[in-house]
Amino acid sequence: KNEVEQSPQNLTAQEGEFITINCSYSVGISALHWLQQHPGGGIVSLFMLSSGKKKHGRLIATINIQEKHSSLHITASHPRDSAVYICAVYPMEYGNKLVFGAGTILRVKS
Amino acid sequence: NAGVTQTPKFQVLKTGQSMTLQCAQDMNHNSMYWYRQDPGMGLRLIYYSASEGTTDKGEVPNGYNVSRLNKREFSLRLESAAPSQTSVYFCASIRDSYTYEQYFGPGTRLTVT
Repeated sequence: KNEVEQSPQNLTAQEGEFITINCSYSVGISALHWLQQHPGGGIVSLFMLSSGKKKHGRLIATINIQEKHSSLHITASHPRDSAVYICAVYPMEYGNKLVFGAGTILRVKS
Repeated sequence: NAGVTQTPKFQVLKTGQSMTLQCAQDMNHNSMYWYRQDPGMGLRLIYYSASEGTTDKGEVPNGYNVSRLNKREFSLRLESAAPSQTSVYFCASIRDSYTYEQYFGPGTRLTVT
């Protein structure tokens, strides 16, 4: 079983919809990373979280350490949000090594 | 400030050939990483370097060697390429244990025939 599970694996939304991507993990962590990867493109950091909630523009990330769960929300989705969203965690036992989820493929249709 | 750079962007090798993937960062980061990304799988750590002069194996180190030449540069070498090493390779870096945020290079798409 992967230490980091993301759901859904694939998501298609209409422009303007509110989107939620979930990430669950099974180990104690130091921090959690949300990343974005556009088709054929590089990987960009969206958020680093160790507690609570962060917001940047239309993106919101939350984490519940007790439940070992994080969510990434996109409000008023737009076709340019189409990308792969990757959750990754720093397990406490691994030091500075990230463990990645398989990613969620998001397509936003206009 | 270029961030993390990787060369080459694309490479095709024949089975048994060798090559070195180059990575450099200009952010004065301490730790550097090499990952591979395969379809349907998450990114997997090949090797990492916590600081200049140190390297450690990750999840999938077989068939690879690394060299942390100095604080800026971290290279990945394939001594005898195999088709199973066809992948997209990413280099990344973080400043220190307290900031955690990883900065990724643009990737190298490698095909081994």
